[in-house]
Amino acid sequence: GDSVTQMEGPVTLSEEAFLTINCTYTATGYPSLFWYVQYPGEGLQLLLKATKADDKGSNKGFEATYRKETTSFHLEKGSVQVSDSAVYFCALSYSLGGGSNYKLTFGKGTLLTVNP
Amino acid sequence: NAGVTQTPKFQVLKTGQSMTLQCAQDMNHNSMYWYRQDPGMGLRLIYYSASEGTTDKGEVPNGYNVSRLNKREFSLRLESAAPSQTSVYFCASSVQAGGPGAKNIQYFGAGTRLSVL
Repeated sequence: GDSVTQMEGPVTLSEEAFLTINCTYTATGYPSLFWYVQYPGEGLQLLLKATKADDKGSNKGFEATYRKETTSFHLEKGSVQVSDSAVYFCALSYSLGGGSNYKLTFGKGTLLTVNP
Repeated sequence: NAGVTQTPKFQVLKTGQSMTLQCAQDMNHNSMYWYRQDPGMGLRLIYYSASEGTTDKGEVPNGYNVSRLNKREFSLRLESAAPSQTSVYFCASSVQAGGPGAKNIQYFGAGTRLSVL
């Protein structure tokens, strides 16, 4: 079945360090890929997405590129801030035209802590 | 600017008690979802409703029931709570379930933290 594997945490960085959180997926067909972020005490928020191969999603300085050849969607940021401390989830979904043929599969999440 | 609202935020139950978690969205979305979040497990889909009047099982439906009361509201019921149902529960909604583009992006509520003793 479909699955998402992401880097186990926790990840601890100093402010202004470079961030990479690895995400790989297993799926039949051509899923859409997402990164969601969960700040302490809150629900999940969409961070960025990509819907087809070679698409790059970006938001708030974060980027991820849909790599079909390596089935990966790694999250990167050039210079992290204390306010980026959160749990990050990689996820995939199928675009099958709607209706009941829907599934969104999450990875287990990666806790990022950024120290000043 | 409410988005997805869940009530209650916290709940403690004894084994065997029942309760209903409420969820409402004000974005005129067609599809709604219930997830549970457990340490080291990520989010797992319990039930979803692709449109008003329909519900379908997700990955972990056992021990739960749902009701899509109207387009805005989607409730999750635990008929006889068990300690294994101790978790954080999230409701989410999207314009539609599946499909290309932005319409399947899910928006989440702040969660209900449930403890079953």
